[in-house]
Amino acid sequence: GENVEQHPSTLSVQEGDSAVIKCTYSDSASNYFPWYKQELGKRPQLIIDIRSNVGEKKDQRIAVTLNKTAKHFSLHITETQPEDSAVYFCAASRPLEYGNKLVFGAGTILRVKS
Amino acid sequence: DAGVIQSPRHEVTEMGQEVTLRCKPISGHDYLFWYRQTMMRGLELLIYFNNNVPIDDSGMPEDRFSAKMPNASFSTLKIQPSEPRDSAVYFCASSFAASEQYFGPGTRLTVT
Repeated sequence: GENVEQHPSTLSVQEGDSAVIKCTYSDSASNYFPWYKQELGKRPQLIIDIRSNVGEKKDQRIAVTLNKTAKHFSLHITETQPEDSAVYFCAASRPLEYGNKLVFGAGTILRVKS
Repeated sequence: DAGVIQSPRHEVTEMGQEVTLRCKPISGHDYLFWYRQTMMRGLELLIYFNNNVPIDDSGMPEDRFSAKMPNASFSTLKIQPSEPRDSAVYFCASSFAASEQYFGPGTRLTVT
């Protein structure tokens, strides 16, 4: 089955700096890659996602890149702010006809120091 | 829409007791997922339903866990008997087809 590895497990950056979180996946059939943000004591919430037919997607300060050949994808947050501090999870899933199952990475704790 | 609704939000029970967690998905969503989150194991998918039918229960840890979805607007996750190692936050999520999964607020279960 699919295995998703996420690095680093913790990341501290200064406010205004950029943060990058990387994930690798094992199943070459996976075609959907969402990123979730979970604040302390709250539910995971989708912040951005990408499908395998594109290599990059951007939404304001957040971007995701996908390298299908290498089977890795990354989350980039620019101009970080204290409210970006949270746990970030990457995930991967196969096309719907194979089941609608997200496999999550272990998470990255991001701390933005002001 | 109010989003995914879960109850109770907190549950404290003694080992050996039955626990029932409840979920109401977003109206119109055809997929419902039950996840468990712990520090040690992260976010694990336990089971998911499509149109009220269980599709994949390979994540259910053992026979003590069972889940049902009697209709499109209600699902339960039952643990009987409960054990201290079942202590975790249990999330329900729903989606329409392969679109974004919306998570509920979670149920924090403590088994003493």
